[in-house]
Amino acid sequence: QVQLVQSGAEVKKPGSSVRVSCKASGGTFSTYAIIWVRQAPGQGLEWMGGIIPIFGSGSFAQRFQGRVTISADESTSTAYLDLSSLRSEDTAVYYCARDRGIVPAADWGQGTLITVSS
Amino acid sequence: QPALTQPASVSGSPGQSITISCTAASSDFGGYNYVSWYLQHPGKAPKLLIYDVSSRPSGVSNRFSGSKSGNTASLTISGLQADDEADYYCCSYMTTSPLGVFGGGTRLTVL
Repeated sequence: QVQLVQSGAEVKKPGSSVRVSCKASGGTFSTYAIIWVRQAPGQGLEWMGGIIPIFGSGSFAQRFQGRVTISADESTSTAYLDLSSLRSEDTAVYYCARDRGIVPAADWGQGTLITVSS
Repeated sequence: QPALTQPASVSGSPGQSITISCTAASSDFGGYNYVSWYLQHPGKAPKLLIYDVSSRPSGVSNRFSGSKSGNTASLTISGLQADDEADYYCCSYMTTSPLGVFGGGTRLTVL
């Protein structure tokens, strides 16, 4: 049984950075993709990017160019989303999700609320 | 990235069937060859219903089915139940790289 546990909610100032973690338990960590998705209040889902840990570097949607880093630590089975230059529009629940074998993004974390406010 | 267009809302009565469409700008869904569907209840994480256009993960009811024709993918829910009332999202993704895009979402109301 795969379980993804995310870090807790945070309140950040505009212009600052945030790191959200996603620790996986169960299943193989290194060879299956982990993606990051966010959802602003009352809005739809937005795919941010993802990583296949064994390959090292993450991929991300073009609109996050320069602000997002996606990484993974195989030794702790933990993926990370770093988002910089935060603005109020980044206020959202951030989810990680992981492939289960050939099934993409089958298992999801509980979500992490990031609030950007002065 | 391809834009995926879904109707904002659909509705149906218990026991009926409904279909939610997801239309891409081109038939290859912008090169993101695969389509999946998610259900999301308020305040909860999304749940995968369909992947690879029409495959169901283990544990998902066979009341949910997916299909694709040209540049439109569809999710059909048969035998509507009250608990099906939720937001539904289509998603187009790559299998060679962890990139994808979601549709805008459809709110299903069970009357």
